[in-house]
Amino acid sequence: AQTIHQWPVAEIKAVGSPLSLGCTIKGKSSPNLYWYWQATGGTLQQLFYSITVGQVESVVQLNLSASRPKDDQFILSTEKLLLSHSGFYLCAWSLPGENSDYTFGSGTRLLVI
Amino acid sequence: QQKVQQSPESLIVPEGAMTSLNCTFSDSASQYFAWYRQHSGKAPKALMSIFSNGEKEEGRFTIHLNKASLHFSLHIRDSQPSDSALYLCAVSHTGNYKYVFGAGTRLKVIA
Repeated sequence: AQTIHQWPVAEIKAVGSPLSLGCTIKGKSSPNLYWYWQATGGTLQQLFYSITVGQVESVVQLNLSASRPKDDQFILSTEKLLLSHSGFYLCAWSLPGENSDYTFGSGTRLLVI
Repeated sequence: QQKVQQSPESLIVPEGAMTSLNCTFSDSASQYFAWYRQHSGKAPKALMSIFSNGEKEEGRFTIHLNKASLHFSLHIRDSQPSDSALYLCAVSHTGNYKYVFGAGTRLKVIA
């Protein structure tokens, strides 16, 4: 069975500090991977997607970057956090190809102060 | 740019009632239409998806798609308190790995 693990579960960080969030998918070869962000009470916003290792496409510019260093790993990071980065970060995977259901990880809750 | 809108914003129904949620989209070339459910503080989870006009039933849930009207819906039969959650519709487009989610309908089922 496929499992998706996100870390950390929650973070409280200072404005201007760096951030790294991670996601690992086990049990599925070459999945499509996605990062989403959800502000408190807000809409799910896609940030990045990756269909193959080493290649990441940006969907919106939020002073964040993403990388896929391994087939089963997706990293979201920034060197300088802003207050507006607070929210719920979700990693998701889907089958290779297009138009299949997403399976989301349990998410990382980030508070920037 | 795909625009996805959901209605109503919130809904309170009694246990056992039929619940109907709506989603409209703007891109007539869209290929994937889905409903996700998000319980408070949790990640969204896929409920049902459909690709062609018509309807699809799984247990108490039915999804109905009308591409010509740029509209799809989710119907929940015999609504249960455990169905209380935020319901998100999602729409995609062939050749695009971007799914656009609606803002959600918050459903509360009261016993």
